[in-house]
Amino acid sequence: GDSVTQMEGPVTLSEEAFLTINCTYTATGYPSLFWYVQYPGEGLQLLLKATKADDKGSNKGFEATYRKETTSFHLEKGSVQVSDSAVYFCAPKSSGDKLTFGTGTRLAVRP
Amino acid sequence: DTGVSQDPRHKITKRGQNVTFRCDPISEHNRLYWYRQTLGQGPEFLTYFQNEAQLEKSRLLSDRFSAERPKGSFSTLEIQRTEQGDSAMYLCASSLDGTGRNSPLHFGNGTRLTVT
Repeated sequence: GDSVTQMEGPVTLSEEAFLTINCTYTATGYPSLFWYVQYPGEGLQLLLKATKADDKGSNKGFEATYRKETTSFHLEKGSVQVSDSAVYFCAPKSSGDKLTFGTGTRLAVRP
Repeated sequence: DTGVSQDPRHKITKRGQNVTFRCDPISEHNRLYWYRQTLGQGPEFLTYFQNEAQLEKSRLLSDRFSAERPKGSFSTLEIQRTEQGDSAMYLCASSLDGTGRNSPLHFGNGTRLTVT
């Protein structure tokens, strides 16, 4: 089945700093790749997606590029805000049409 | 689009009791998923439906767990004889099966179960 490895958190940054959260995956077939964000006490919200190699997904200043050769989908943002503090999940979707999640990466942004 | 709705938001029960959760997906979505999330972990897949058919069940779904989606709309997840290890957030998600693996899942806010 599919699996995901994300960098361990927490990641603590000052406001306006550059963010990278690493994600590598293994999957059967050719997966689509997703980033979800979870705020405290809430469900998961779709942040962005990419469906084929070299696609770049983007939303709210976040970006991630589908790198098939390195099986990676790293999340980046040029300037984080306090409101970006949350847990971020990378997830492939291939066989069985279900998302497979890793443990997530907690981001804390200081004012 | 009112989003995925889950009820109740919180449930506290005593060990050995039965509980039932409800999920109302986005109205035009034909796929419905259940996940479980424990503290500090990512969501783990439990089961999913396409319309009223349950297509896959995880090994995590023991005999005490049963999920239904009788008319292909809302779904229920029942846990019988609850154990303390069942304490978790139960998340429901739905998707539109039109583009297969490209379809994102849309999640509800979950039901937090505490077994005392």
